[in-house]
Amino acid sequence: DAKTTQPPSMDCAEGRAANLPCNHSTISGNEYVYWYRQIHSQGPQYIIHGLKNNETNEMASLIITEDRKSSTLILPHATLRDTAVYYCIVRYFNAGNNRKLIWGLGTSLAVNP
Amino acid sequence: DVKVTQSSRYLVKRTGEKVFLECVQDMDHENMFWYRQDPGLGLRLIYFSYDVKMKEKGDIPEGYSVSREKKERFSLILESASTNQTSMYLCASTVRSAGGPSITDTQYFGPGTRLTVL
Repeated sequence: DAKTTQPPSMDCAEGRAANLPCNHSTISGNEYVYWYRQIHSQGPQYIIHGLKNNETNEMASLIITEDRKSSTLILPHATLRDTAVYYCIVRYFNAGNNRKLIWGLGTSLAVNP
Repeated sequence: DVKVTQSSRYLVKRTGEKVFLECVQDMDHENMFWYRQDPGLGLRLIYFSYDVKMKEKGDIPEGYSVSREKKERFSLILESASTNQTSMYLCASTVRSAGGPSITDTQYFGPGTRLTVL
C-alpha cells in the first residue's frame, strides 16, 4: 500500500507562501496524489490532485518530483483562513480492485498574523 | 456546488442504544462513504456503497452496518453503541469512476457528526 509521510505541524506568516511537503516513496506508476484540508470542526475539503505533471488551480499549486516520490503543496499567499490540517493522500486499488484512499495524520498548518 | 448533509452535528447516546446516522447528498453521486476520525488515527473507512442497495466493508466495519435504499441517502447504523464508538463520523460522496486510473475520485464531505456514547 502506498503511504505518505508529512511533518506534523508547520507555521507560516500571513501573506507568505506556505509550502507543505509530502513523501510518498512507495507510490506506483498509476497512483494519483491528492491533497485535502480540514478546517477545525468541518469535513475535509478537496484541494488538488496530480499524477506526474505540476498542477495549479484557484486554491493551490502542486509540485510533484520527477521520480514521483514526493510532492509539495503550495499556497501562494496564505491567509488566516488557510489555517487547517492538510492531508496528502495516494489512491490505491485494494484486492477487490476498488479504489481507496489512505488517509494519514496530515500537517497542521498555522498561519500567523 | 455539491452539498453533503448529515443529520446531526452533535449526538449523545447511551451504551447499548441503537444509533442511526444519516447522510444525504444532492449531486446524484453513485458512491458514498462513511468514515470515522479519531485523534492520532486519522480518517478510517467504515463502509462504502457504490450503488443503491450495494455496500462494501471498509477497513473497520465491526460494530457497524449501513443502508442505502435511495441513491441520495446513506445511513450508518450502530446496532448497540459502545463507548469505543465515541468519535467524529464523516460522510462523503463521489461520482462513479468508469474505470482506469485517470478517473478522479474527488470526495465531497459532510460537516461531520460528533457522537459521544456514555
